[in-house]
Amino acid sequence: SQKIEQNSEALNIQEGKTATLTCNYTNYSPAYLQWYRQDPGRGPVFLLLIRENEKEKRKERLKVTFDTTLKQSLFHITASQPADSATYLCSPKISSGSARQLTFGSGTQLTVLP
Amino acid sequence: NAGVTQTPKFQVLKTGQSMTLQCAQDMNHNSMYWYRQDPGMGLRLIYYSASEGTTDKGEVPNGYNVSRLNKREFSLRLESAAPSQTSVYFCASSEARDRNYGYTFGSGTRLTVV
Repeated sequence: SQKIEQNSEALNIQEGKTATLTCNYTNYSPAYLQWYRQDPGRGPVFLLLIRENEKEKRKERLKVTFDTTLKQSLFHITASQPADSATYLCSPKISSGSARQLTFGSGTQLTVLP
Repeated sequence: NAGVTQTPKFQVLKTGQSMTLQCAQDMNHNSMYWYRQDPGMGLRLIYYSASEGTTDKGEVPNGYNVSRLNKREFSLRLESAAPSQTSVYFCASSEARDRNYGYTFGSGTRLTVV
């Protein structure tokens, strides 16, 4: 069955360091993969989308990589700040057309310590 | 502000009662979705509507019905609430033809069934 695994339920890092979150998927061949941020009591907020033919994508302090051979995406936050503390969700998606294939990992809770 | 609006934000139901969760979006998106989020299980798709006039089942549709009232509104109905339906419910929308953006989520409805 299709499965998404995100690394460790919680990740604590020191302010200023780079946070690296992992998303592994099995039995998928996603056309693209999305990353979301979710704060307590709120809905997820879209951050980045990376396509299968893109190795890396950047947006400000965020960087996402996508390795279709390893079936893995890495999400990096450089120069992390306490305001980056949140839960981050990954969502691999099969090529457009079927919303049934849009599933989410259970998320990694990131805490950036001052 | 453009976005997805969900009502109510909180609700407590007794087992067997019925209720409808309302969702409206003002971004002119074609596709709308209902998810539930439970601790440790991530977001799970209940129903979706790829376009006005169509609806389809997601991963966990049992016990729910939906109505795509028009392009803006997509409601979720619990006909006979059960404690297993205690969860946080999120509505989302997207424009399938625009693959540069992810889903826009509402702020959620926290439902407790006693």
